[in-house]
Amino acid sequence: QITLKESGPTLVKPTQTLTLTCTFSGLSLSTSEVGVGWIRQPPGKALEWLALIYWDDDKRYSPSLKSRLTITKDTSRNQVVLTMTNMDPVDTATYYCAHKVRSTDWPPFDYWGQGTLVTVSS
Amino acid sequence: QSVLTQPPSVSGAPGQRVTISCTGSSSNIGAGYDVHWYQQLPGTAPKVLIYGNSNRPSGVPDRFSGSKSGTSASLAITGLQAEDEADYYCQSYDTSLSDYVFGTGTKVTVL
Repeated sequence: QITLKESGPTLVKPTQTLTLTCTFSGLSLSTSEVGVGWIRQPPGKALEWLALIYWDDDKRYSPSLKSRLTITKDTSRNQVVLTMTNMDPVDTATYYCAHKVRSTDWPPFDYWGQGTLVTVSS
Repeated sequence: QSVLTQPPSVSGAPGQRVTISCTGSSSNIGAGYDVHWYQQLPGTAPKVLIYGNSNRPSGVPDRFSGSKSGTSASLAITGLQAEDEADYYCQSYDTSLSDYVFGTGTKVTVL
């Protein structure tokens, strides 16, 4: 059974850097074609993909946020970390991590964490 | 700003059929990338409802079906039930943006 859980601060100040951790079980980032990504959802708004990292350290970023994002993995600890710099109130959202397989048929984000709400306010 | 457009809301009486459209372009759906649909119940994380345009994961009722044609996709719910009240999102890949794109989302209300 695959489970993922997000953790990190619930409140950050504008201009600060956000660091979120996704801890997972039932999957391994040492397994071929396995990936973990981050998606966010501002209150009452749509989902937005942020970043994705695969087992071989292949990293993908949303072009619109690429300059602010860094995604890394710790395979031994079953964790993926996302950092987002220069936080702004518009970044207030629920942040989800999710499992994805890299494949030529472009599969979905098939397992999701419960999400963590991050509020950006001074 | 999402490149996949959905109607903001659809509604229907119990037992009725509703459809949700997802309109894209030649750089995403029209380029042949698969469309997936997610159901998000209030206060919960999204869940895969349809993958690969028309496939249902194990446990998803056959009341839900998906299709794709040209630059658009659709999700149909037949025999609408109160438990289907949720937000629904389509998702694909856009080759021009190099971006995994989600739709604008549709709220389904059971009257």
